[in-house]
Amino acid sequence: GAVVSQHPSRVICKSGTSVKIECRSLDFQATTMFWYRQFPKQSLMLMATSNEGSKATYEQGVEKDKFLINHASLTLSTLTVTSAHPEDSSFYICSAPDSTTNYEQYFGPGTRLTVT
Amino acid sequence: LAKTTQPISMDSYEGQEVNITCSHNNIATNDYITWYQQFPSQGPRFIIQGYKTKVTNEVASLFIPADRKSSTLSLPRVSLSDTAVYYCLVGDIRGGNKLTFGTGTQLKVEL
Repeated sequence: GAVVSQHPSRVICKSGTSVKIECRSLDFQATTMFWYRQFPKQSLMLMATSNEGSKATYEQGVEKDKFLINHASLTLSTLTVTSAHPEDSSFYICSAPDSTTNYEQYFGPGTRLTVT
Repeated sequence: LAKTTQPISMDSYEGQEVNITCSHNNIATNDYITWYQQFPSQGPRFIIQGYKTKVTNEVASLFIPADRKSSTLSLPRVSLSDTAVYYCLVGDIRGGNKLTFGTGTQLKVEL
């Protein structure tokens, strides 16, 4: 089946710095990708919809200036956590729907962010 | 987006059949029902999807009654490796619309 990758798989950064997470659809094109955040023992929370060639759409309560999303190509979306703080430590997951398989959504393996 | 209700947790033993029911009373005409499985520190994995009646694949079956206000994921002969969180999602997937996750069901399989 289709594959979505994320890089890095885990990252540790210092408070105040920025970190970029990449999400790639490896064998299909995705005009839309989604970013989720998941805290321990909780469900996935949708953060934003990444749209190729246009601005991302953020869910209510998600700071667009803090979580910068860029969807520069049909296979790549990036999430940049700017001025990271310890409370941003979480598991970040992206997904992409594949239009060739009835829009089945494929999820990446996730990125564990730890802010110290 | 239709709200879903699932049991928080379920326990089972190896070799048994497990049925997880999801309620979605306000499901819309264009909504599909999709189930995902998630292991700790991994992204969710697609299990099965359906619109009505019964759908079966190599790992599970999905039963949807005529009124579509609920659905049941059936896992035949579970093993320890099926211990995971199972999410029921309801939404119009056409065009790659966003999916909203509910609380999920933590399934624990023991020997």
